[in-house]
Amino acid sequence: EIVMTQSPATLSVSPGERATLPCRASQRISSNLAWYQQKPGQAPRLLISGASTRATGIPARFSGSGSGTEFTLTISSLQSEDFAVYYCQQYNNWPFTFGGGTKVEIK
Amino acid sequence: EVQLVESGGALVQQGGSLRLSCAASGFTFTSYAMSWVRQSPGKGLEWVSAISAGGGSATYYADSVKGRFTISRDNSKNTLYLQVNSLRAEDTALYYCASSGAGTWSFGFWGQGTLVTVSS
Repeated sequence: EIVMTQSPATLSVSPGERATLPCRASQRISSNLAWYQQKPGQAPRLLISGASTRATGIPARFSGSGSGTEFTLTISSLQSEDFAVYYCQQYNNWPFTFGGGTKVEIK
Repeated sequence: EVQLVESGGALVQQGGSLRLSCAASGFTFTSYAMSWVRQSPGKGLEWVSAISAGGGSATYYADSVKGRFTISRDNSKNTLYLQVNSLRAEDTALYYCASSGAGTWSFGFWGQGTLVTVSS
């Protein structure tokens, strides 16, 4: 099983600042990586697939990069609605696996 | 508009069974792979099971549920199912169904979830 590691578990950022969220895979997964955003009481929402392709309707301030084992989600200028938990997920190998999540909180 | 609506969650005793359903609308259900993902209270996301598009000839399971859970689909009813047997306390979670996009296994659409609580 591929282990996805997200660290730190919590990231404190001021509104308007840039947030950089890393995700590491225990094995190479090509670009078969997705990022999801989850707010309290809501289902997750797909932000990025294929490591760098924004999903429909996702603002341009969200960008994804990386391949192989190291990936990054960048939020260029945090808006109030961006404070949430972010998960990475690999879909290169069965079983699919999620990272533990990074909570982006207001500094 | 794509909609996924789960149902079937309940409070059940350890060792019990349930059948979860996910009614899909707003897209050509038969054309897309589907999955179940669960989230224990206050915890992260855990992928549970997936089924291929079309007739669903290919199914996949997390090791934690293999042999106890069975995924299936009825394309005539636009419905995804998860039969969950031999339930354990650690199966307590909100169960989401999710659809994958064309040519990708990422989960583009999610339902709001159905809650399974296993009591001892």
